[in-house]
Amino acid sequence: ETGVTQSPTHLIKTRGQQVTLRCSSQSGHNTVSWYQQALGQGPQFIFQYYREEENGRGNFPPRFSGLQFPNYSSELNVNALELDDSALYLCASSLLGLANGELFFGEGSRLTVL
Amino acid sequence: GNSVTQMEGPVTLSEEAFLTINCTYTATGYPSLFWYVQYPGEGLQLLLKATKADDKGSNKGFEATYRKETTSFHLEKGSVQVSDSAVYFCALYDNYGQNFVFGPGTRLSVLP
Repeated sequence: ETGVTQSPTHLIKTRGQQVTLRCSSQSGHNTVSWYQQALGQGPQFIFQYYREEENGRGNFPPRFSGLQFPNYSSELNVNALELDDSALYLCASSLLGLANGELFFGEGSRLTVL
Repeated sequence: GNSVTQMEGPVTLSEEAFLTINCTYTATGYPSLFWYVQYPGEGLQLLLKATKADDKGSNKGFEATYRKETTSFHLEKGSVQVSDSAVYFCALYDNYGQNFVFGPGTRLSVLP
């Protein structure tokens, strides 16, 4: 059983640029969610995708967008990067509808915006 | 809205000491409750969970009981080890909105 993998692991961008982060979900999982974890804080929910549709969104502006593909892998896109976007971005996969809602996390992509 | 509050860290203990990390939550429905752990340089891992009131989750010597009357899910371990040094996150799963809400995390350092 393959776990959740994310790429790239680290990247540096400058303010105003755009970034795409990628995630491969755990085998058999149909739901992917993305989280932003600023230094010293807990993960903040960005959005969730189920069967290629966004079906939940946290308090993040529209310049944060995503995609889910037929194989359940996912992308997070952030446009017009700001300094405050510097964080660890976590992808988690799960089976929607499970009563326990357990998340399986990747190790994250650390984004630094200069 | 839903929220999770944890005791502030860092918490520093000696090996074999008793650990309690407090967690309280606010939720409109009846959420599932979780503790996730993040070891240095690693992603978050599920430590334990409880899906309804009075359930006790346990794993690796850690345990937590879902207390609906006090809206709490405190994490306890009777004898901590150096290898338990990590950041611990309390979280709730909103069955209605189908998303997770995490607390800010509590850093635990266990000294030999």
